Amino acid sequence: DVKVTQSSRYLVKRTGEKVFLECVQDMDHENMFWYRQDPGLGLRLIYFSYDVKMKEKGDIPEGYSVSREKKERFSLILESASTNQTSMYLCASSLPIGQPSSYEQYFGPGTRLTVT
Amino acid sequence: AQKITQTQPGMFVQEKEAVTLDCTYDTSDPSYGLFWYKQPSSGEMIFLIYQGSYDQQNATEGRYSLNFQKARKSANLVISASQLGDSAMYFCAMRERSGGSYIPTFGRGTSLIVHP
Repeated sequence: DVKVTQSSRYLVKRTGEKVFLECVQDMDHENMFWYRQDPGLGLRLIYFSYDVKMKEKGDIPEGYSVSREKKERFSLILESASTNQTSMYLCASSLPIGQPSSYEQYFGPGTRLTVT
Repeated sequence: AQKITQTQPGMFVQEKEAVTLDCTYDTSDPSYGLFWYKQPSSGEMIFLIYQGSYDQQNATEGRYSLNFQKARKSANLVISASQLGDSAMYFCAMRERSGGSYIPTFGRGTSLIVHP
């Protein structure tokens, strides 16, 4: 079974703190994604990566950065957390284009971040 | 303009009845894919079904079927014989090519409640 794990289920941080959200997958997937989920807005893509050290902006990258030093790990960084970044953050991984079932994303359990 | 539109914020259905969750999409990519995810109250994202833009037949997976109407750009999810465990948020999503990758876009979701 594919497993995607996220470092914390719940996190509380103060405004201005630097926040790291970690995501690890164990299926050697090339693609990894970070989303935030807010009520009424669905999932919005923040950043994605299709290879080590590669990253691409999604729909809402402002205020975030990412790091992918190893294939299995994709980190989301909030350089200076703000209250409007309070949200559920979901990580996902998938196989690259052309591979069977590459359309299916495997999601982690999510991290509910509260910035006070 | 939204790429994925789910017009039903909430839906109710009686147990054992069928229910249709609406989804329309907008893309200029001829090679796209559509899929549905279920998110129960536990928060996990569960992949349900996938339809490629070139697939001739509607996708089916057990009690789930995707009513794909390409000309109308709709990809409705049909759940037959609803069960109490089907109560959850349902997200329609599309992936389309952007550069060398496929980028997923999610709708805002539909909350389904199944009554006994």
